[in-house]
Amino acid sequence: GESVGLHLPTLSVQEGDNSIINCAYSNSASDYFIWYKQESGKGPQFIIDIRSNMDKRQGQRVTVLLNKTVKHLSLQIAATQPGDSAVYFCAETGAAGNKLTFGGGTRVLVKP
Amino acid sequence: DSGVTQTPKHLITATGQRVTLRCSPRSGDLSVYWYQQSLDQGLQFLIQYYNGEERAKGNILERFSAQQFPDLHSELNLSSLELGDSALYFCASSVASGFNQPQHFGDGTRLSIL
Repeated sequence: GESVGLHLPTLSVQEGDNSIINCAYSNSASDYFIWYKQESGKGPQFIIDIRSNMDKRQGQRVTVLLNKTVKHLSLQIAATQPGDSAVYFCAETGAAGNKLTFGGGTRVLVKP
Repeated sequence: DSGVTQTPKHLITATGQRVTLRCSPRSGDLSVYWYQQSLDQGLQFLIQYYNGEERAKGNILERFSAQQFPDLHSELNLSSLELGDSALYFCASSVASGFNQPQHFGDGTRLSIL
């Protein structure tokens, strides 16, 4: 919500365009990755997840891509809408798989 | 609506005090997780309970403790509060015990220490 980091990277997108949010993860042994959306005043909302044995997974208007070679995760949102304005977090399970480690977040602002 | 309920929504208290935050998981979920979200640290995992037992521990201070009751609701107890404990505290729940599944978050408790 509004109390998430004051200095978040921000992605400004025109309504109707596609958005790509990037995330570099730290642990090459992580076997599960997940994207969350957090709107102001709300808790993180699950968007999509992917396991390390996959490269790509699609949902409704969203696609997650996993590049294990460079430890990179991305979330693509098709035809971005005003309701997509939020902070987006990626998270990974880490080597031991006994916790979920969140990235710092990216703020997406959709311009009408 | 995630189905996870947290109370209270806001809590204002003073340094040195103790507070209890409450969480009701989604119907059917056996795991409850607690997270702290602050401006400088982002979302940090604190602790997990599964079916009444502690399952995993993260960056939880010794002044903090949690428990999960037979009806699966959970409480996070924060004691000897310091200014730096001001943050959003989230509870999440999931069906099983592993971290390789979606966790569903409540809307949090905002704790302000004066």
